[in-house]
Amino acid sequence: AQKITQTQPGMFVQEKEAVTLDCTYDTSDPSYGLFWYKQPSSGEMIFLIYQGSYDQQNATEGRYSLNFQKARKSANLVISASQLGDSAMYFCAMSRPNRDDKIIFGKGTRLHILP
Amino acid sequence: DVKVTQSSRYLVKRTGEKVFLECVQDMDHENMFWYRQDPGLGLRLIYFSYDVKMKEKGDIPEGYSVSREKKERFSLILESASTNQTSMYLCASSPPAGGSSYNEQFFGPGTRLTVL
Repeated sequence: AQKITQTQPGMFVQEKEAVTLDCTYDTSDPSYGLFWYKQPSSGEMIFLIYQGSYDQQNATEGRYSLNFQKARKSANLVISASQLGDSAMYFCAMSRPNRDDKIIFGKGTRLHILP
Repeated sequence: DVKVTQSSRYLVKRTGEKVFLECVQDMDHENMFWYRQDPGLGLRLIYFSYDVKMKEKGDIPEGYSVSREKKERFSLILESASTNQTSMYLCASSPPAGGSSYNEQFFGPGTRLTVL
């Protein structure tokens, strides 16, 4: 069964440090997509970054990068030079295009950036 | 700019009331989703719809129903609200993936429902 696991319920990081949020996934499908969303205290889900299972290079979007290790089924989000505004809930998610248009979400990691 | 709107940010209802949560998207997306978000449980899919009048149960449909009479609008209905339905409700939409793994979902701001 497809599953997303985020093992860190909460993290505290000093401002300007780099942050790695862990995500592992389980699927037997060869084609899948991995997503990270940010949810600030306002509640809205904000799409951050996407990695396709066939993509050779790790995805990057500004200060966000996705450390994709396919053999380990790992898709960690790396935030460089963290800012106070990065304090939020972060969700890892996976698509399974061979089955349907749904996305499966992990339980999330709450990130606190300390001044 | 893509937009998903939800009828209320905060809602307080009494046990037994019928509750309607409305979601509207202006992106002409075929897919629409209703999720429930609770601390420590992440986002759980309640119902989703692939097209007008088409709906399928998600992981936790009990106690909920949905309606999609128009493409842009997807309503979540709590027939008889109960206290255990106090939660954050998120609506999302996406275009059909067409077999692509890239099927980003666009979310509304959420409705925080309290049932007393």
